[in-house]
Amino acid sequence: DAGVTQSPTHLIKTRGQQVTLRCSPKSGHDTVSWYQQALGQGPQFIFQYYEEEERQRGNFPDRFSGHQFPNYSSELNVNALLLGDSALYLCASSEGQGNTEAFFGQGTRLTVV
Amino acid sequence: AQSVSQHNHHVILSEAASLELGCNYSYGGTVNLFWYVQYPGQHLQLLLKYFSGDPLVKGIKGFEAEFIKSKFSFNLRKPSVQWSDTAEYFCAVNEDNNAGNMLTFGGGTRLMVKP
Repeated sequence: DAGVTQSPTHLIKTRGQQVTLRCSPKSGHDTVSWYQQALGQGPQFIFQYYEEEERQRGNFPDRFSGHQFPNYSSELNVNALLLGDSALYLCASSEGQGNTEAFFGQGTRLTVV
Repeated sequence: AQSVSQHNHHVILSEAASLELGCNYSYGGTVNLFWYVQYPGQHLQLLLKYFSGDPLVKGIKGFEAEFIKSKFSFNLRKPSVQWSDTAEYFCAVNEDNNAGNMLTFGGGTRLMVKP
């Protein structure tokens, strides 16, 4: 049973470029959340997708957008990259919209130069 | 808005020492509480969680945490740490409203256990 998988594991982009990160949830999970973890800090919630719609959103600008596909996998897109977007991006999956445990992937390390 | 504070950023202990990591949150409503651990090079893993009931919860690997509602605290404890407990520990909170499970994390505590 595969857990949460994310791709790519590492990525280097230039300021102003756009990036797409991908996440496949744990088998049986239909809810996907994205978090940004800057160096030395705890993860910060970006947004959550359920039934292909954004359900909750944290304090992130519109440059951060996402999508969820019918197979529950998800993408995180970041436009007009800034140096400050350099971070570990974590995907978490869970079952439904209730109070259930979130399982995390290993993350995508994004470096913006 | 919720916030979570972990006051100890770095902790260094010798093996067999006792551990207590502090976690305080600010939110007036009903919350669910979590401790996650991140071992070097690995993904975040759930250590334990509190939803309701007995405020003393036991997790994996001998960890436990106590929810003290009056103090808005959820401190993590282990009576005797091992070298393999070296990791970063995160406290997290979400609102108990069945509208999704957005987690608010603390800044983390990096634990180093000396053999």
